[in-house]
Amino acid sequence: NAGVTQTPKFQVLKTGQSMTLQCAQDMNHNSMYWYRQDPGMGLRLIYYSASEGTTDKGEVPNGYNVSRLNKREFSLRLESAAPSQTSVYFCASSEFRSGANVLTFGAGSRLTVL
Amino acid sequence: KNQVEQSPQSLIILEGKNCTLQCNYTVSPFSNLRWYKQDTGRGPVSLTIMTFSENTKSNGRYTATLDADTKQSSLHITASQLSDSASYICVVTSYSGAGSYQLTFGKGTKLSVIP
Repeated sequence: NAGVTQTPKFQVLKTGQSMTLQCAQDMNHNSMYWYRQDPGMGLRLIYYSASEGTTDKGEVPNGYNVSRLNKREFSLRLESAAPSQTSVYFCASSEFRSGANVLTFGAGSRLTVL
Repeated sequence: KNQVEQSPQSLIILEGKNCTLQCNYTVSPFSNLRWYKQDTGRGPVSLTIMTFSENTKSNGRYTATLDADTKQSSLHITASQLSDSASYICVVTSYSGAGSYQLTFGKGTKLSVIP
C-alpha cells in the first residue's frame, strides 16, 4: 500500500513561475488536504476537499488553487510563485474511524522560491 | 480562537531515559486529540488518538494522557531510543456538526535522544 504519494519531493522556482504539486492516495478516502509547514509554526491548512467534486479554503489559501481531479487525486497549483511560498507542503487524506478523523500524510514536497 | 500550545519547544535526553511532552488546548467543541510523530524530512504519523472519554492510551513505549477538564494532554515516552528523535505534534479536532471538522495543530516539540 503506497498510502499518500506526493510529487515532486523537491522543487526550486523563480519568483513568478508556476507549478503544480501532485497528490494521490490509494486508500479510498473521501477527504483530502493540503498543508504547509514552516519553521516554528504548526501545520497550516491551505485547502481541503471533503469529497470528490468539492473544495474549500483553509486557513492560508491566498496564492494557491486546487483541483480534486477524482477521488484519488488532489493537486495544488501556484500560479505565480512568491518567496513567501517557500515551504514544505504536505498532502493528507482522511477517513472517519472509531469516532475520529484519522489523517494519513504524504512525505512532503519541499519548495523553494527564489 | 482555537489554540494548541506545546511545551517544551525542544528537549534533549539521554538514550534510555524517560520524558514527558505537554499539550494544552483551547478548542471547542472538543472531538478528539491526537499525537503525531514526525521524523525529519517525513510526513507526520499518528501515534495515538484520544476521545473525550479516554484518560490514557498506550502505543508501545508511548503513553498519552488526556484531562478534558483542564484541557491538557501529555505524551510520555519510556526508555527512549535514538529512533525516538523526532518532532511530536499535538492535534486537536473540533466538530461543528454536519460533518464539518476543524483540526488545530500545535507547533510541535522537537525531541533529540543522544547516546
